[in-house]
Amino acid sequence: DAGITQSPRHKVTETGTPVTLRCHQTENHRYMYWYRQDPGHGLRLIHYSYGVKDTDKGEVSDGYSVSRSKTEDFLLTLESATSSQTSVYFCAISETSGLHYEQYFGPGTRLTVT
Amino acid sequence: KQEVTQIPAALSVPEGENLVLNCSFTDSAIYNLQWFRQDPGKGLTSLLLIQSSQREQTSGRLNASLDKSSGRSTLYIAASQPGDSATYLCAVREGSGGYQKVTFGIGTKLQVIP
Repeated sequence: DAGITQSPRHKVTETGTPVTLRCHQTENHRYMYWYRQDPGHGLRLIHYSYGVKDTDKGEVSDGYSVSRSKTEDFLLTLESATSSQTSVYFCAISETSGLHYEQYFGPGTRLTVT
Repeated sequence: KQEVTQIPAALSVPEGENLVLNCSFTDSAIYNLQWFRQDPGKGLTSLLLIQSSQREQTSGRLNASLDKSSGRSTLYIAASQPGDSATYLCAVREGSGGYQKVTFGIGTKLQVIP
């Protein structure tokens, strides 16, 4: 258990509204990630962070922004939610055991955009 | 672009059977490969991590093998139990140090029938 929590766990919102999802970790991991999971697709990377205020885009970043002002928190914002952003969102961290990079995941946030 | 395929997409077996789940990837220049388990409505749980220099890893009734040159990995589950019912995902990691790109398969949904 890498001490990852996500909030909220479930959210229903309306098209056009901004939404912020929070990922919190307790073990000082440098790398944090946001993924979305949709039926018929593997997990797809939205954004990742490699340190405080250091973030970069993943493969499906359009319509999303992120911020990391503290090591323990990584926020994902949907600037203006659309129905195509209905998905399950997972936060992950990379833990290194020597040179062995391994990912651990949070419990997920189920977001429905109506 | 790395692509990860998992076959079969779904599998149903009687309790006690030994079974094999397959994962193939298109670019053999990987850093490591990780197998996950995902229960319905839950996050991903790491099962096994195989470094590119390794051939296999074992944990309890699970054994994962890696043939990097042919772009294949298998997850062997011995003496399957109803509690093994879940979706199993494989993910390959490319690059070394810093950020590493991770590509996920869509998963194999396993049902073990009592």
